[in-house]
Amino acid sequence: DAKTTQPNSMESNEEEPVHLPCNHSTISGTDYIHWYRQLPSQGPEYVIHGLTSNVNNRMASLAIAEDRKSSTLILHRATLRDAAVYYCILRDAIKAAGNKLTFGGGTRVLVKP
Amino acid sequence: NAGVMQNPRHLVRRRGQEARLRCSPMKGHSHVYWYRQLPEEGLKFMVYLQKENIIDESGMPKERFSAEFPKEGPSILRIQQVVRGDSAAYFCASSPPQGASYGNEQFFGPGTRLTVL
Repeated sequence: DAKTTQPNSMESNEEEPVHLPCNHSTISGTDYIHWYRQLPSQGPEYVIHGLTSNVNNRMASLAIAEDRKSSTLILHRATLRDAAVYYCILRDAIKAAGNKLTFGGGTRVLVKP
Repeated sequence: NAGVMQNPRHLVRRRGQEARLRCSPMKGHSHVYWYRQLPEEGLKFMVYLQKENIIDESGMPKERFSAEFPKEGPSILRIQQVVRGDSAAYFCASSPPQGASYGNEQFFGPGTRLTVL
């Protein structure tokens, strides 16, 4: 399975944007890039996903490099509620193994008031 | 639409006892996944089930652990003869019938925190 690499932690001030990088240099053509987050003492929740084009939704934006070897999750205005561990995950669109989520260490985001 | 339900939320067992964790998927979802999060560690996939079928159990320990998702009722993760190392948070997730496709998100429950004394 292609792996992802994320910084262990990042800090941000409230109301400021947060850019969370993810490296996935061995990504295959059929891998989708998914982001989930886990708030303290809760189950993970889906944030966003994409294949090649940048994506926007209510929660965040996903910027995908042209060669797809890296991506960046963007939280436009961090709030205290965004403090969580953010996971970048590759999911294969073809193989059955793509049904499961393979979580790495993620990036722990701390938001300062 | 209610989310994924898990019960109990907290479960305490003594070594050697059995633990039964229940997961009710979201309405209309027929795919269930179980994950385990050991203290201070990341989430690890355990098993993927569809109604009455185990699709992928590559993450399940070889002994003492079993899972089912019957035609009626919740999915059950059963741990027999629990040991202290089984203490962890167990999360269930569900996805809709087209859940085998790449794009469908998994919806997670709040987890069951198992403590083995």
